[in-house]
Amino acid sequence: AQSVTQLDSQVPVFEEAPVELRCNYSSSVSVYLFWYVQYPNQGLQLLLKYLSGSTLVKGINGFEAEFNKSQTSFHLRKPSVHISDTAEYFCAVTTYGSSNTGKLIFGQGTTLQVKP
Amino acid sequence: ETGVTQSPTHLIKTRGQQVTLRCSSQSGHNTVSWYQQALGQGPQFIFQYYREEENGRGNFPPRFSGLQFPNYSSELNVNALELDDSALYLCASSLGSGGNTEAFFGQGTRLTVV
Repeated sequence: AQSVTQLDSQVPVFEEAPVELRCNYSSSVSVYLFWYVQYPNQGLQLLLKYLSGSTLVKGINGFEAEFNKSQTSFHLRKPSVHISDTAEYFCAVTTYGSSNTGKLIFGQGTTLQVKP
Repeated sequence: ETGVTQSPTHLIKTRGQQVTLRCSSQSGHNTVSWYQQALGQGPQFIFQYYREEENGRGNFPPRFSGLQFPNYSSELNVNALELDDSALYLCASSLGSGGNTEAFFGQGTRLTVV
C-alpha cells in the first residue's frame, strides 16, 4: 500500500520570503508524484508532477520540487512567495505497473499562510 | 475546450436518504475518478471509471456506487446517507488510466448530511 505524509499542517511565511512544503511517501512499487493546490471553495489544480527523468521539476506560478528516491521525499519550494499563494497544498502519489495505477493517494494537506 | 463540471455545487440531505452527484468530464477524456474530501483532510479515492467500466475502488462501502456513460460523463450514487458522508466530492477526468496523464478536477459538490 502507498501512503503520503505532509510533515507540516500549517506553514506561515512573510511575503517575498522563500518557502518549503515537505512531503514524504511510502510505496513498495514505483511511483509518480504530484503537487496540487486548492484555493478556498475550489477544486484542485496541478502545480507540477514527477514522472521520470530529472529529479528537479518546475511547475506553474514559480514553484519547483525535487524528487529524492533515497529519502522518499518530494518537497515543494518557492524562492519568493506572494499573498496570492495563500492556499492549501496537497502532495499525491500514484503507482504504475500495479493494480492501483492511476489512483491518486493524497497527503493531509499543508496550509500556506502568506503574511504581508 | 470545456473543463470538468460537477453538479450540483451544494446539496443538503437527511440521514438515510440517497443522493446522486454528476460529473461531465473534460472533452476527449475517457477516465473519471471520484474522491471524497472531508473537512480539513486530503481527498480520498472512491473509485475510477475507464471507458464505462469500473477500474479500481478505494476503501468505501458498497452503498457508494457509480456509473460512466458513453459520453464519459459520470455519476456517483450514495445510498443510506450517514452523517459522516458530509464532505466535498471531487470528480477528476483524464485521458487514460495510466497515472502519468494529468487529472483535471472539477469544483466539487459540497454534500451536507443532517
